[in-house]
Amino acid sequence: GQNIDQPTEMTATEGAIVQINCTYQTSGFNGLFWYQQHAGEAPTFLSYNVLDGLEEKGRFSSFLSRSKGYSYLLLKELQMKDSASYLCAVMDSNYQLIWGAGTKLIIKP
Amino acid sequence: DADVTQTPRNRITKTGKRIMLECSQTKGHDRMYWYRQDPGLGLRLIYYSFDVKDINKGEISDGYSVSRQAQAKFSLSLESAIPNQTALYFCATSDTGQGADTQYFGPGTRLTVL
Repeated sequence: GQNIDQPTEMTATEGAIVQINCTYQTSGFNGLFWYQQHAGEAPTFLSYNVLDGLEEKGRFSSFLSRSKGYSYLLLKELQMKDSASYLCAVMDSNYQLIWGAGTKLIIKP
Repeated sequence: DADVTQTPRNRITKTGKRIMLECSQTKGHDRMYWYRQDPGLGLRLIYYSFDVKDINKGEISDGYSVSRQAQAKFSLSLESAIPNQTALYFCATSDTGQGADTQYFGPGTRLTVL
């Protein structure tokens, strides 16, 4: 079966750095997405990786290793507004998105 | 104005009632999706549509039906609502559905079935 694993919850301090991991087992691979979802709101797109390596976008970076079925989202200079759930999703061979359950990130002052 | 809108935003209904959730988009996208989100679970795909004439079942279509009335409108119906259909429902759209094609989500409908 298809499976996306990510930690349920993480806590970090304002101004610090946090890494959210995602491992996946899917039928085929056509890219990995990270979305941010604030409580009670819609998910919004953060990043897309299809090749191995690091993609940097401001304070956020996303890394992919296809051979290991592994990705991480790195958030730097954490701000209180970064408190949210972070969803990892993989596009499988049928171009369907398979979603992880999300990681709830709590930022403390 | 929001690109993807959903109505209603909140709905409380009783077991056995028929419910329709509506989604409209102004992004001009051909592809539209309905998901449900439950605490501790990932987004699960209910139905998706590649264009007005193409409707496909997703992972959890039982108990649901859809209608694509136009490119911009995609409705989800619960024929006879049951309590385990209590969830947050999202509509989403995308352009090509391939590669880096991002899905854009509506604000969600919180449905409670008593």
